[in-house]
Amino acid sequence: EAQVTQNPRYLITVTGKKLTVTCSQNMNHEYMSWYRQDPGLGLRQIYYSMNVEVTDKGDVPEGYKVSRKEKRNFPLILESPSPNQTSLYFCASSFRGHQPQHFGDGTRLSIL
Amino acid sequence: AQSVAQPEDQVNVAEGNPLTVKCTYSVSGNPYLFWYVQYPNRGLQFLLKYITGDNLVKGSYGFEAEFNKSQTSFHLKKPSALVSDSALYFCAVRETGGFKTLFGAGTRLFVKA
Repeated sequence: EAQVTQNPRYLITVTGKKLTVTCSQNMNHEYMSWYRQDPGLGLRQIYYSMNVEVTDKGDVPEGYKVSRKEKRNFPLILESPSPNQTSLYFCASSFRGHQPQHFGDGTRLSIL
Repeated sequence: AQSVAQPEDQVNVAEGNPLTVKCTYSVSGNPYLFWYVQYPNRGLQFLLKYITGDNLVKGSYGFEAEFNKSQTSFHLKKPSALVSDSALYFCAVRETGGFKTLFGAGTRLFVKA
């Protein structure tokens, strides 16, 4: 089954403790992206990648890192999480830029 | 600044009536336009897109959208709403030649039986 898989689905952690949210897609898509969803703000793009080793900033990249060492994986790293990063996070992928994105089921992060 | 606006937080419609969810954008060039739907505790699902061509685009589950270049709008429509259409709807705009994507804030659709 074609899918985007994120882990974990839920995480409660404390300020400053480094964490990684993994994202993997099995569709051989070139494009991958991370978003955060906050009430009243919709989805905001954090980082995106157009190919292996090619990443670029979205609208809200501060406090986040990404890497794209393999085509299928695009982990999101919070090196020193803070409470304002408490949010619902989505990973998405698409084959080409003009094609729709496939979304994972989301990761709900709570940072205390 | 580039932006996507969904002017209604919520749209209420009776089952069987037509529905419209509005989207306008301010993005340079000729961007790609998308509509997605989100059900509780799930990721977004693609409904339809406009790349080029006919201004009326048909998509999944009986939805369609009308592109208006002069008004930079991309309104989502359905001729006859179902209770099961109740969900959160997002308009998205992507720059051509890249992958920067802007989303609207979302519109919650309630369809009453």
